[in-house]
Amino acid sequence: GNSVTQMEGPVTLSEEAFLTINCTYTATGYPSLFWYVQYPGEGLQLLLKATKADDKGSNKGFEATYRKETTSFHLEKGSVQVSDSAVYFCALSESGGGADGLTFGKGTHLIIQP
Amino acid sequence: KAGVTQTPRYLIKTRGQQVTLSCSPISGHRSVSWYQQTPGQGLQFLFEYFSETQRNKGNFPGRFSGRQFSNSRSEMNVSTLELGDSALYLCASRKDTDGNEQFFGPGTRLTVL
Repeated sequence: GNSVTQMEGPVTLSEEAFLTINCTYTATGYPSLFWYVQYPGEGLQLLLKATKADDKGSNKGFEATYRKETTSFHLEKGSVQVSDSAVYFCALSESGGGADGLTFGKGTHLIIQP
Repeated sequence: KAGVTQTPRYLIKTRGQQVTLSCSPISGHRSVSWYQQTPGQGLQFLFEYFSETQRNKGNFPGRFSGRQFSNSRSEMNVSTLELGDSALYLCASRKDTDGNEQFFGPGTRLTVL
């Protein structure tokens, strides 16, 4: 079956540091890949997505590139802010938008210190 | 445009009881999915409804059921509650099925004592 693996953390960084959160996946077909963010007390928000190999998703300074050869979708940001503190989830869907449901990683708790 | 709303936000039940959670999707969205979030298992897909029909179901026991009404609002029901059912239950809606972004609600926090 499908699965997503990501570092769980917590990951603690200083403000303006470079961020990488690794995500690798296992899927039988050609999935779409997503990064979601969850702020305390809130639901999930879509941060970015990529639907085919070599696509780069980007939003709010975050980027991730769909690497089929390494089955990875690592999240990066050049300079993090305190407001980026949240839990980040990598996810995949076999059917584009998730008709079969999204498969999530366990989530990475990111803490940014001033 | 109002987002996905879930009621109630918090719920406390005892073992053996049943519970019904409600989700109102974004206006115009016809698909509603439900997810369970726990510290141990993370986020797991429960089921998706589209136009009042269940399209897909995750690997959960039959105690977990759902339905969708003609106005796209959805309810999920858990019968014979167990301690392990304590979780955050998230609902997500989208306009259609394949290819559309899912928008998540804030969740219902269920505690089973």
